Amino acid sequence: AQSVTQLDSHVSVSEGTPVLLRCNYSSSYSPSLFWYVQHPNKGLQLLLKYTSAATLVKGINGFEAEFKKSETSFHLTKPSAHMSDAAEYFCVVSDGGSQGNLIFGKGTKLSVKP
Amino acid sequence: DGGITQSPKYLFRKEGQNVTLSCEQNLNHDAMYWYRQDPGQGLRLIYYSQIVNDFQKGDIAEGYSVSREKKESFPLTVTSAQKNPTAFYLCASSIQGRLSGANVLTFGAGSRLTVL
Repeated sequence: AQSVTQLDSHVSVSEGTPVLLRCNYSSSYSPSLFWYVQHPNKGLQLLLKYTSAATLVKGINGFEAEFKKSETSFHLTKPSAHMSDAAEYFCVVSDGGSQGNLIFGKGTKLSVKP
Repeated sequence: DGGITQSPKYLFRKEGQNVTLSCEQNLNHDAMYWYRQDPGQGLRLIYYSQIVNDFQKGDIAEGYSVSREKKESFPLTVTSAQKNPTAFYLCASSIQGRLSGANVLTFGAGSRLTVL
């Protein structure tokens, strides 16, 4: 069975400092992995996705994530936080093994201090 | 611009009433989904549809019903049988009928339902 764990429910950083949002997964198959962002009272927007190509994936707004099979991790990073990055972030795993089989993490709320 | 439109954005319901949330997409996507979001819980799948006139239950379908009479529309009814309906409801769609590894969801802006 597949699962996804976001290790921090809340992360707080200062503007201009690096961002690290942690995600670990468990999957019986070669997984596809996604990061989505949600601003308050809005829908989710895709940041980036990993689908067994390059292990370092670049996304929108300067975010990137590295797939590490040995550590079963897919952490999201950004070199320098901006105030507009304050939002909730969801790590998602899909093994494509059955229809509709996407598992969402519980989310990490990112706060950015001026 | 193509996208997903959910309405209403906010909805209040008295206990015992059924309510229907609208979801319309103009992306020509085959598949559509309904998720429920509660604080600290992530998203949980209620129902999904891979093709017109067909839909399947997700993880938490009890107390909900859907229809898919048109490709662009996937309304969700929250019935009085749903014990705890207060939540944020998100509709999504994807190009392919099957959630393959590379398939990406496009989300609507959500509907917030509050039971009084």
